[in-house]
Amino acid sequence: EDQVTQSPEALRLQEGESSSLNCSYTVSGLRGLFWYRQDPGKGPEFLFTLYSAGEEKEKERLKATLTKKESFLHITAPKPEDSATYLCAVEDTDKLIFGTGTRLQVFP
Amino acid sequence: DAGVIQSPRHEVTEMGQEVTLRCKPISGHNSLFWYRQTMMRGLELLIYFNNNVPIDDSGMPEDRFSAKMPNASFSTLKIQPSEPRDSAVYFCASSPEVEQYFGPGTRLTVT
Repeated sequence: EDQVTQSPEALRLQEGESSSLNCSYTVSGLRGLFWYRQDPGKGPEFLFTLYSAGEEKEKERLKATLTKKESFLHITAPKPEDSATYLCAVEDTDKLIFGTGTRLQVFP
Repeated sequence: DAGVIQSPRHEVTEMGQEVTLRCKPISGHNSLFWYRQTMMRGLELLIYFNNNVPIDDSGMPEDRFSAKMPNASFSTLKIQPSEPRDSAVYFCASSPEVEQYFGPGTRLTVT
């Protein structure tokens, strides 16, 4: 059965303190790995799709990377507005299997 | 583009009442998904449609839940009768191919 595990569950950072979020997965054949951002009271917002090991995608202070077993979301010099829950998901025959997310708080 | 539209945004109802949640997907997207999100279980897929046809409803918790998609621009999720354990945020998402775009959600409280 496909599984997605995210760590840590929660992360508190000082503004400017870079860090990484982890998403490990178990799938029979990875077709795509997705990162979403969710703000309180809102729906998840699509960030990135990664398809193959070694692939990287960047958007502002965020960079997503992919290996054969896990993905990392690197946050460089975060700002308070980066505070949100970050979800990863893997594709399984036209549907997505989501992890439980990492709740990120960035303090000024 | 207005994005995925859901209504109502908040619903408070008493146990035993019927609840209907509504979703308008993004125009041109051929897949639609209904999710439920709780603190305990995270984001769970309930059912999804492709070209208005239900493909996988294995996530629907029980017969009290039903979903329809009568046309490409409208879907409903109905709970009858509702129970307190149905309290959650329900999201609708639509997809052109793989990436899914979520609506703002409906927060359901069953007392």
